[in-house]
Amino acid sequence: ILNVEQSPQSLHVQEGDSTNFTCSFPSSNFYALHWYRWETAKSPEALFVMTLNGDEKKKGRISATLNTKEGYSYLYIKGSQPEDSATYLCASLDRDDKIIFGKGTRLHILP
Amino acid sequence: KAGVTQTPRYLIKTRGQQVTLSCSPISGHRSVSWYQQTPGQGLQFLFEYFSETQRNKGNFPGRFSGRQFSNSRSEMNVSTLELGDSALYLCASSFGTVRPSGNTIYFGEGSWLTVV
Repeated sequence: ILNVEQSPQSLHVQEGDSTNFTCSFPSSNFYALHWYRWETAKSPEALFVMTLNGDEKKKGRISATLNTKEGYSYLYIKGSQPEDSATYLCASLDRDDKIIFGKGTRLHILP
Repeated sequence: KAGVTQTPRYLIKTRGQQVTLSCSPISGHRSVSWYQQTPGQGLQFLFEYFSETQRNKGNFPGRFSGRQFSNSRSEMNVSTLELGDSALYLCASSFGTVRPSGNTIYFGEGSWLTVV
């Protein structure tokens, strides 16, 4: 993989349900993986910075895992709430300081 | 503390003109990076400045340039504007450089540029 790919592109989830989505990134020369939450008309907000294989980070109902050997990260949201509606971006940083963003997963929480 | 401030927020330019966008980082942050967001391409890295020096540059033509001042404020300039330069330009700041990874990047709200 030469690019950062996120799936699905868009996701509709019922309020109260849990959900997860994927970020795939180049595993060679990997340095760090960033997750951002981007609400419409606002600026992207940093969620997690992850570096080590097997890393798990948690912030409230949101958590993320990292597999650097196979080049993927999962973001989980437990008990989705309307305020979780946003685009979730991941970005891969390599050891040459090259940063590549995925195109995001657009999450819609249905009341 | 005040966040990353970008000006102007919205602007319209004509093809062939040039534009300068400004970014004031969070107080104490020395790294400023710039990104272009277009519907088709997503967020793409333009360049990063740290202590007035360009540390890193993305794959953009030479029409895109930037600089950083001693107070860490940064400007980016796009010359000879093309229709395809219409985009949201985001600036972000961090305490240190993008590496080490412990430095969280804080984004501004962006400058919307429309080229007609």
